[in-house]
Amino acid sequence: QQQVKQSPQSLIVQKGGISIINCAYENTAFDYFPWYQQFPGKGPALLIAIRPDVSEKKEGRFTISFNKSAKQFSLHIMDSQPGDSATYFCAASRVGNYGGSQGNLIFGKGTKLSVKP
Amino acid sequence: DTAVSQTPKYLVTQMGNDKSIKCEQNLGHDTMYWYKQDSKKFLKIMFSYNNKELIINETVPNRFSPKSPDKAHLNLHINSLELGDSAVYFCASSQGPSNEKLFFGSGTQLSVL
Repeated sequence: QQQVKQSPQSLIVQKGGISIINCAYENTAFDYFPWYQQFPGKGPALLIAIRPDVSEKKEGRFTISFNKSAKQFSLHIMDSQPGDSATYFCAASRVGNYGGSQGNLIFGKGTKLSVKP
Repeated sequence: DTAVSQTPKYLVTQMGNDKSIKCEQNLGHDTMYWYKQDSKKFLKIMFSYNNKELIINETVPNRFSPKSPDKAHLNLHINSLELGDSAVYFCASSQGPSNEKLFFGSGTQLSVL
């Protein structure tokens, strides 16, 4: 059972454009939604995260939009740059509930972003 | 200084062999994890330890055995390696067991021939 569905699988954007990656979750108990960025040969690194008490969080060029009723959240990368080319993972978990399935950080399947110069 | 370091970076071995991957974190975190990333980049948790105590043990074959000698180290031993074990294994740590802000190592690419 895939608890976090991520789309698209791959994305090509021109430099300066907006990259949008979408995720949907099933478990309404999830209360923490991070995005991780992974470059080739490296481990994932936390990019930005949101809790369901806000609908949007912005850090620099990266914005998370969160829709609790639709159980969806998305990552927007403004003014996309070639250096943003990486694989992006959304994830979800229930913070503070460790052990068992809800304690795990459940990852989406990833989106490979390529930003063309 | 590398926050989460794992060795080796590459591991090529024959089917049936036993191998270990070591992980160390110098962040002072209480919780450590092993994740498996398959060829399609899917990341799945395998184990989690908090202060040397196992708190997450996903459905993983018994051939995989984690060991945490202290809270800064979490090693993964794999017995009787199979072709399907080929993947990238990531060690990670977090301040506590709540899963917020995981710090990942650079991964160990395991190839079973």
